[in-house]
Amino acid sequence: EVKLEESGGGLVQPGGSMKLSCAASGFTFSDAWMDWVRQSPEKGLEWVAEIRSKANNHATYYAESVKGRFTISRDDSKSSVYLQMNSLRAEDTGIYYCTPIYGSFAYWGQGTLVTVSA
Amino acid sequence: EIVLTQSPTTMAASPGEKITITCSASSSISSNYLHWYQQKPGFSPKLLIYRTSNLASGVPARFSGSGSGTSYSLTIGTMEAEDVATYYCQQGNSIPRTFGGGTKLEIK
Repeated sequence: EVKLEESGGGLVQPGGSMKLSCAASGFTFSDAWMDWVRQSPEKGLEWVAEIRSKANNHATYYAESVKGRFTISRDDSKSSVYLQMNSLRAEDTGIYYCTPIYGSFAYWGQGTLVTVSA
Repeated sequence: EIVLTQSPTTMAASPGEKITITCSASSSISSNYLHWYQQKPGFSPKLLIYRTSNLASGVPARFSGSGSGTSYSLTIGTMEAEDVATYYCQQGNSIPRTFGGGTKLEIK
């Protein structure tokens, strides 16, 4: 059974930083491309970032809205993916999900809520 | 960036009614990269249909998908109360991966 457990969310002030973690199990993590997707009432579902497998040189990709502020990384030895978020803005508020991409996003965790507010 | 536009944004249907939701892409997408998700209130999104027309595991046969190029659709053959949810299309054809704005389906 695939399990995805996101953590690290909470309340942060504008301009602050936060690091999200996602522990995965039930699939061959090292072969998987991993993504972060967020959801807010204002923007709906929004793709944030992707990190590919070692075979693809751990290439990373970002949405324009977070490029230069967010960094996705992974630790295959821990079957975990991370999202370092800096210079946070109110519009970064939302539920953040990690999900492996096999063409589609077939598996979703419960997400972790990030609130950026003074 | 490929923009996905869903129609309608909200709708209400009676039990037994046939429902069609459309997803229009700003550029042509391979049908292998168009997917649909269902999100019920209070829950995470769930994969409903992958590669345009393939039902995900456990999805009832009353759901179906079709389309090609820039025009795709999700159909519910006969509306049931448990289908109340928001439905999203998504393209994986290119980066950035994008989602439609969602269609909220309610029951009459």
